[in-house]
Amino acid sequence: QKEVEQNSGPLSVPEGAIASLNCTYSDRVSQSFFWYRQYSGKSPELIMSIYSNGDKEDGRFTAQLNKASQYVSLLIRDSQPSDSATYLCAVNVWAQAGTALIFGKGTTLSVSS
Amino acid sequence: NAGVMQNPRHLVRRRGQEARLRCSPMKGHSHVYWYRQLPEEGLKFMVYLQKENIIDESGMPKERFSAEFPKEGPSILRIQQVVRGDSAAYFCASSPETRGSNEQFFGPGTRLTVL
Repeated sequence: QKEVEQNSGPLSVPEGAIASLNCTYSDRVSQSFFWYRQYSGKSPELIMSIYSNGDKEDGRFTAQLNKASQYVSLLIRDSQPSDSATYLCAVNVWAQAGTALIFGKGTTLSVSS
Repeated sequence: NAGVMQNPRHLVRRRGQEARLRCSPMKGHSHVYWYRQLPEEGLKFMVYLQKENIIDESGMPKERFSAEFPKEGPSILRIQQVVRGDSAAYFCASSPETRGSNEQFFGPGTRLTVL
């Protein structure tokens, strides 16, 4: 049974702080990793994808991948109240189209002003 | 550039009726996936389709659920004889045929309520 685990939270941080979200996965052969943001009542929005070990930065977001530890994280710098949402970690065995994403249950982030 | 489109956005059915959910992928995307999100649960894969082919239906319930993606028109997820446990948000996602990338982009979803 392939699993993706996330701390459900809520994770509360003050405005301007760094939010750190973590995710572990069980299938060692997983090849691609994604972070989605989902506002309440809305659909998941892709914010980061990462395929190789190390860090990938995009604006205020940094994804970190460690395949040896089966661990992927998302850092949000200078957190804003608009970042308050549920963040979903998703994993795929392949790095090409055509297979299902396996999602964690999500971590709820609350950024206070 | 229009994103993934789904309709209806909200659907109310009585127990025993049929529900039809439609999804049009992003322009240029040939891969369509359906996911279901039950209250307080994570997103669960249901089925993956390409035009005129069901490629992977390992997440579909064995009975009452079916999906298609015809040569012309949107992909359709069909639920026959709905029960209250089918109440959920159903999301469609699509991805392009790009080597080395399998990013999936989600539509707005259909919220199904079974009375």
